[in-house]
Amino acid sequence: GQQVMQIPQYQHVQEGEDFTTYCNSSTTLSNIQWYKQRPGGHPVFLIQLVKSGEVKKQKRLTFQFGEAKKNSSLHITATQTTDVGTYFCADDSGTYKYIFGTGTRLKVLA
Amino acid sequence: GAGVSQSPRYKVAKRGQDVALRCDPISGHVSLFWYQQALGQGPEFLTYFQNEAQLDKSGLPSDRFFAERPEGSVSTLKIQRTQQEDSAVYLCASSARRGVTEAFFGQGTRLTVV
Repeated sequence: GQQVMQIPQYQHVQEGEDFTTYCNSSTTLSNIQWYKQRPGGHPVFLIQLVKSGEVKKQKRLTFQFGEAKKNSSLHITATQTTDVGTYFCADDSGTYKYIFGTGTRLKVLA
Repeated sequence: GAGVSQSPRYKVAKRGQDVALRCDPISGHVSLFWYQQALGQGPEFLTYFQNEAQLDKSGLPSDRFFAERPEGSVSTLKIQRTQQEDSAVYLCASSARRGVTEAFFGQGTRLTVV
C-alpha cells in the first residue's frame, strides 16, 4: 500500500534558523494536508494543497506541492520556540482516508 | 461544543478488559474519523463515518475493535479483551463535509493496557 515518508525524522535548530521537512510518497499524491502536533497535544490542521506545483504561504511557513505530485515540503523561516512540535503531512489517497506521514520532530533551541 | 471532545483522556485497562472510548464531534460535522497513534508515530486510520453510516472500517486491527455512531453525532470506539499492543492514543477527528476538507482532532484518549 501507499507509504508516505518524511525526512528528516528529527531536526534540532537554533532559534532564528530555517527549517524544512520533506514529504515523499511511493505513489502519486492526491491532496496533501499538513498538520502540527505539539508535544502531548493533538494534530492541528495547517493547510491543504491540491494542485500540482502549488505554493502557499502562512506568515513564516511556506508549503509546496511537487510538480509531479509525488512530494511536498514545508519550510519555516526564522524558527521560533513556538514552532516546536512534530509536523505531519497526510494524503487522502483519492478518498477520505488520510494516510499520515512518519512525521518530523522539530526542536528549537533558544 | 467549540471543538472535538474525547473521553476519558486517560484509561488504564487490565489485559482482557473491555473499554469504550467516546468522541463528541463538532456539532453538525458530517464526517468522523478514528485514528490510532502509537508513541512516536503518525496517526493511523481506523475507521470512517459519514453521518451514521460506517463507510470504511478497513483500518480496525482485529474483530476486537468495534465503532459506532448510531445517531450521526457521538461515536464510541469499543475494544474487547484488550491486549498490550492496543496501548496507544486513540484520536477522533471530524470534518464539516464529505471529501477533502480540514479535519479537527480531539485531544485523544491515551489507553494503557497493563
